[in-house]
Parts: sequence; C-alpha cells; structure tokens
Amino acid sequence: GEDVEQSLFLSVREGDSSVINCTYTDSSSTYLYWYKQEPGAGLQLLTYIFSNMDMKQDQRLTVLLNKKDKHLSLRIADTQTGDSAIYFCAEESGGYQKVTFGTGTKLQVIP
Amino acid sequence: GAGVSQSPSNKVTEKGKDVELRCDPISGHTALYWYRQSLGQGLEFLIYFQGNSAPDKSGLPSDRFSAERTGGSVSTLTIQRTQQEDSAVYLCASRSFNEQFFGPGTRLTVL
Repeated sequence: GEDVEQSLFLSVREGDSSVINCTYTDSSSTYLYWYKQEPGAGLQLLTYIFSNMDMKQDQRLTVLLNKKDKHLSLRIADTQTGDSAIYFCAEESGGYQKVTFGTGTKLQVIP
Repeated sequence: GAGVSQSPSNKVTEKGKDVELRCDPISGHTALYWYRQSLGQGLEFLIYFQGNSAPDKSGLPSDRFSAERTGGSVSTLTIQRTQQEDSAVYLCASRSFNEQFFGPGTRLTVL
C-alpha cells in the first residue's frame, strides 16, 4: 500500500532556507502535494507537482522531485516566522484520486 | 462562497457510546474524503467518496467505523461503541481538480 514518510521536526533561523523532505512508496503516484497547517487552522494547499516534472518553483517555494528515489522536497527560501507551521507531504495514487498524507513536519522558525 | 463545514466542532462522549460526525462539502465537489489526525500523528486516510462510485473504505480502522454520503453531498461518519483510542480530530475534505479543501475538523474526545 501507499506509505509517505517525513521527519517530524525542523528548526531554522529566520532568513535561512528550510528544506523539508518526504519519501513515498507508491510508484504509480501521479501528483505529489505539499499542504500547510498553521496552529489552530485547517490544512491549505501550498503547491503540487505532477510526477513527470523534476522541479516546480513558486515564489519562495521550490519543489524537487526525484521519481527514481521516490523523494520529494520542499525548499522555502528566506524563511519567515510566519512560515512556522506543520507541513504535510501527500501523494496521489495513479488515476484513482486517493490521497495519502505523511506524518507532517513541524517547522519552527527562530527569530 | 462557503467552504467545507463540519459539525460538531467538538464532541465529548463516553466510552461505548455511538457518535455521528457531519461534513458539508463545497457545492459541486464530487469527491469527499475523511481523515483522522491524532496528536503527534499525520493524517490517517479513512474513506473516500467519488460521485456515484463505490467508496474506498480501505482506511477505516475497524468495523465500528462507517460513513455515508447522501445525494452526493453531505457525508456522515459514524463511530459505534467508541473507544478511548478513537479520540482525535476528524477532518473532512472535498476536492476540485488537484486541490483538497479541508474543513475545520471535529475534535472527538472519548472519556
């Protein structure tokens, strides 16, 4: 079955870059997602990447996908205190729309 | 327009009682998901509805859990004979294209 793994915690200083990593097992994944959950708030989609892409950039966010190694990363440039949140990686099974989420990585930004 | 709504926002129940959790998706969204988020855990997939197709129930943890979606809109997640380990936040999401829109969740506490 599908399995998505993330490290649980990351701490960075304000202004530095953050890199959140994710590994998944489903080789038929079509889309991979990054969601953000701020304290006391619901999950919101940050960005997603189609499985035939290697990279996607959106302002301060860069998503890298290594399909061979089933590894996804999210880089946040110039990390701000407002970026403190839990970041969830998720993968979608091919043609099926079932979305499996990882455990989430709690990002702490130190001023 | 209105987002995904869930009710109740909080539910405290005694062990052994049945509970019903409700989800009102965004109008027109044909896909609806239920997830469970336990303290320190990621999002655990429970069940997925897509239009008139048979739901994917592969994530339901036991036969005490069931869900319905009436008229392709409102969904109800029912937990029978609740146990303390059922305590969690239950999240509902509906989907448009590649984005899931999450509700605020129902926090279930089983005493």
